[in-house]
This record gives sequence, structure tokens and C-alpha cells, in this order.
Amino acid sequence: AQKITQTQPGMFVQEKEAVTLDCTYDTSDQSYGLFWYKQPSSGEMIFLIYQGSYDEQNATEGRYSLNFQKARKSANLVISASQLGDSAMYFCAMREGSGDDKIIFGKGTRLHILP
Amino acid sequence: DSGVTQTPKHLITATGQRVTLRCSPRSGDLSVYWYQQSLDQGLQFLIQYYNGEERAKGNILERFSAQQFPDLHSELNLSSLELGDSALYFCASSPRQGVNEKLFFGSGTQLSVL
Repeated sequence: AQKITQTQPGMFVQEKEAVTLDCTYDTSDQSYGLFWYKQPSSGEMIFLIYQGSYDEQNATEGRYSLNFQKARKSANLVISASQLGDSAMYFCAMREGSGDDKIIFGKGTRLHILP
Repeated sequence: DSGVTQTPKHLITATGQRVTLRCSPRSGDLSVYWYQQSLDQGLQFLIQYYNGEERAKGNILERFSAQQFPDLHSELNLSSLELGDSALYFCASSPRQGVNEKLFFGSGTQLSVL
């Protein structure tokens, strides 16, 4: 069964520093997709970045990059040069290529950026 | 704006009542997902529909049901409501099924059961 683990319930980071949010996953599928979403205090879910299991390069989207280590089954989100507006809840999610089409989310990490 | 519309935005009701949450997916999206987010919790997958058919089921209570209509909008029905059903309910849509298909989320319906 697919599973997503985010071991950091909360993090405090100084503004302008880089931050890494951890995500490990468990699947027996060879084909799968990994996603990160941001949920600010306003509540909406904002897509940040995607990584496919067959992608050879780590995904990048502006200040966001995904440190994908397939053998370790980890997909950590890296935010460079953090900003106050990065304070939010961050969720890692996975979608498998076989079986049903559910997308499972981790419990999230609450990131606080300090001025 | 994600293009996914959820109504109502807020709903306050009493225990034992029944409510219906509505979701209109993005234009052209065939797949609709429902999630429940309780206070300070992650998103719990409830159910997924693709082009009118149920495709995946999560830990959805028997008191809850859903359907996707021919025009692709979806409704989540919650009955015999309990205090613990208070949560933010999200609908999300994607164009197709596939590992690279990201979800587009609505703004959610905040349900308060008193």
C-alpha cells in the first residue's frame, strides 16, 4: 500500500536561508508521481512541483527544487532563499501508476519563516 | 484561481443533519477527488470519480456518499452528522488519470457541526 511520511511536524527557519522539507514514500510500483503542495493560512492548496519516478533530473520550479533519491525513496523539497510568504503548511503527495487512482498525502510540515 | 468551484464556502449545521457539498471541476477535467482535512491534519482521501464512474475509494464513512453527474460536477453527501465531521472538505480535479496529472484544488467547504 502506498504511504507518505513527513517526519517534521514544524520547522522554524530564518528568512533568506534555504530550507529542506523531508518526505519519504513507500510504493511497490515502478511508475509513480510525487507532488508538493503549499497550504497558506488562507487555506487554499497550491501546487508547487512534480517529480516522475522515471525522471532522471531533479525537478526545479523557480525557488523550489525536489531532491529525488529513488533508492532511498525520498523526495525532499528544497526552498532556496526563503521569504516570509513561504510560511505555510507543506504537503508531499504520491500518485501510483497502477491500481486505483488515489493520491495520498502526508501529514504535512508547518514551516515558519522568521524575520 | 484554480478553476475548481466549491459551494458553499461555509456550512454550519447541527448533529444528525444531512448536507450536500457541491464541486464543479475545471473545464475539461474528467477526474474529481474529494478530501477531508480535519484541524491540523493532513488530507484524508475520501473518493474519486472519473467521467461519472467511481474509481477509487479511501476511508469514506458509510454515512457519506458521492456521485459525479453527466456534466461532470460532483456532490458529496454527508448524513447523520457528528461533531467529528467538522472539517474542511476539498474537491480537486485533474484532466485525466496518470502519474503526472497534478490536482487542481477548489477553495474548500468549511463544515462546522454544532
